[in-house]
Amino acid sequence: QSVLTQPPSVSAAPGQKVTISCSGSTSNIGNNYVSWYQQLPGMAPKLLIYDNNKRPSGIPDRFSGSKSGTSATLGITGLQTGDEADYYCGTWDSSLSAVFGGGTQLTVL
Amino acid sequence: QLQLQESGPGLMKPSETLSLTCSVSGGSINNSNYYWGWIRQPPGKGLEWIGIIYYSGGTYYNPSLENRVTISVDMSKNQFSLKLTSATAADTAVYYCARRSGYGNLVSKRYFFDSWGQGTLVTVSS
Repeated sequence: QSVLTQPPSVSAAPGQKVTISCSGSTSNIGNNYVSWYQQLPGMAPKLLIYDNNKRPSGIPDRFSGSKSGTSATLGITGLQTGDEADYYCGTWDSSLSAVFGGGTQLTVL
Repeated sequence: QLQLQESGPGLMKPSETLSLTCSVSGGSINNSNYYWGWIRQPPGKGLEWIGIIYYSGGTYYNPSLENRVTISVDMSKNQFSLKLTSATAADTAVYYCARRSGYGNLVSKRYFFDSWGQGTLVTVSS
């Protein structure tokens, strides 16, 4: 049982847009910043979004992040087959522990 | 370019101590801007944070693992290590080492893991 709640799966057609939600509480998302990670099949996670909505160098602007209250959202536009992966949200809680969502599997139909 | 590489036994027996090392290249562990951490992922499941360490040795651990976990740092080798005692099948997972960046305080934390190792599978089985 993960601390943060994500939908197990989402899907959309190539070229379309998809959003992935991440729900928490005031002890984690509500008072801290959210990051998102992309895990391609068989690979290590990779930082996609940090500080709620910032993209590391090299991450295309098709990926975006937002936060409102105790929830965060990852958006992906112009879907490509190469975007098929598991996506995880992460943040920190009041005990200085990192917490993650259970992950969302993205399928590009 | 920063690179992290995990190493250690891939197979161990229940009740043994899991020991892994993360070798860091392309950057120094002796850097006040970062913490260095371990995260694991059981087969087919999500990510679980294990703990982090500062170059000076300060640590934070997942409360659910705290009584079994020790993370240490060896600056002379630019490495940090994980020890997990009394292993069981539930500890079977891919173990990742990672660098924690960002900043924050007790009120608001804006930390994130910006560099990860490739991961190493550890299987606990009799």
